[in-house]
Amino acid sequence: DAKTTQPPSMDCAEGRAANLPCNHSTISGNEYVYWYRQIHSQGPQYIIHGLKNNETNEMASLIITEDRKSSTLILPHATLRDTAVYYCIVSAPSSYSGAGSYQLTFGKGTKLSVIP
Amino acid sequence: DTAVSQTPKYLVTQMGNDKSIKCEQNLGHDTMYWYKQDSKKFLKIMFSYNNKELIINETVPNRFSPKSPDKAHLNLHINSLELGDSAVYFCASSPSGRGVGYTFGSGTRLTVV
Repeated sequence: DAKTTQPPSMDCAEGRAANLPCNHSTISGNEYVYWYRQIHSQGPQYIIHGLKNNETNEMASLIITEDRKSSTLILPHATLRDTAVYYCIVSAPSSYSGAGSYQLTFGKGTKLSVIP
Repeated sequence: DTAVSQTPKYLVTQMGNDKSIKCEQNLGHDTMYWYKQDSKKFLKIMFSYNNKELIINETVPNRFSPKSPDKAHLNLHINSLELGDSAVYFCASSPSGRGVGYTFGSGTRLTVV
């Protein structure tokens, strides 16, 4: 079962920032927060991940609260191509390189619609 | 170059047949996975595998079996196909144990008639 809670859907105006929230109140100390998105009919795409600190890359920013019980994915300037289902996932990398080192369990995600 | 490639992209077959879906990754990753996305769009892991260990989701019927001829390939064999097997199947890969992102293939849409 997914360990995260996300709103089922959100709208965002094109060119504005999209802020996607995620609650993960039962997160463990060694679990990372991952964000993926799935554009219609495509495979999921990795966006970003973090442990404690806020993270930024060319796609997005990830803001994690100090208690790590929630996070927000920020798409700074949403475009129509950002319309997708966004998944927030918590998972821990294993200390060994076994096959089950960390498995992503996808929840229902948030369907983000970017509106012209 | 496609990082994780799956073939075929579409597969239509009759109940009771046996079929295979192929997956290849050119990323040098150690671990590969198969996911199933059903009509309700839920993504569920079926298998994760590297050269040391196969982890099977206990809910996966034993008609499904992964076969890995080498580190870059993880094929999915399905025996005695059933209507409920219709879904989109995604292959993925990742470096083992480093907590970085998975790379997914573009999916194989299987339709059992």
